[in-house]
Amino acid sequence: QVQLVESGGGVVQPGRSLRLSCAASGFTLNSYAMHWVRQAPGKGLEWVAVISPDGSNKYYGDSVKGRFAISRDNSKNTLYLQMNSLRAEDTAVYFCAKVHSSGWYHFEYWGQGTLVTVSS
Amino acid sequence: QTVVTQEPSLTVSPGGTVTLTCASSTGTVTSGYYPNWFQQKPGQAPRALIYSTSNKHSWTPARFSGSLLGGKAALTLSGIQPEDEAEYYCLLYYGGAWVFGGGTRLTVV
Repeated sequence: QVQLVESGGGVVQPGRSLRLSCAASGFTLNSYAMHWVRQAPGKGLEWVAVISPDGSNKYYGDSVKGRFAISRDNSKNTLYLQMNSLRAEDTAVYFCAKVHSSGWYHFEYWGQGTLVTVSS
Repeated sequence: QTVVTQEPSLTVSPGGTVTLTCASSTGTVTSGYYPNWFQQKPGQAPRALIYSTSNKHSWTPARFSGSLLGGKAALTLSGIQPEDEAEYYCLLYYGGAWVFGGGTRLTVV
């Protein structure tokens, strides 16, 4: 069955970088767009970024544009989120999500998330 | 700054029916916004319920249905069960960007 497992979270100082990974199994990653979504403690969901199946198209939320980079290695069945110039407001659980076969507009499976805490 | 608005909270009795709505600050929500709906329980990841306005995933209970209603996206729960108590989020597409609503906390009492 489909599994998405995020990793790479932890405590990081403001201004530093962190790279999250999302290991995919149970499906062929290179056939699907993938999203990152985050949720600050006690808050709602915020869309972060999306990448097309072949990695050629990427879009970002305004709050992370220019600081975060989404990428994928289909040969390793892994999605990434490179987070640079981290701020306290980036503290959140980060989820990766697979889209439905009908297009990148349609979310389907979610991982369990990895917590990123930005603090000095 | 695009804002997607949901009812902050709703309370419903078991067996009842409730409709949650999702409005866009840009105007009428249409099928071109590809509305998605998600359920999230405390300590869990979100679970997808509805995509593209009204399409259900294989695991979505029959009592959940999605529609467009009065210029908004809507999620209707019929024959509510105690396990439906959760936070519900809608998600709309804005041409290369996606925006979540603030969520509706549904209480079943």
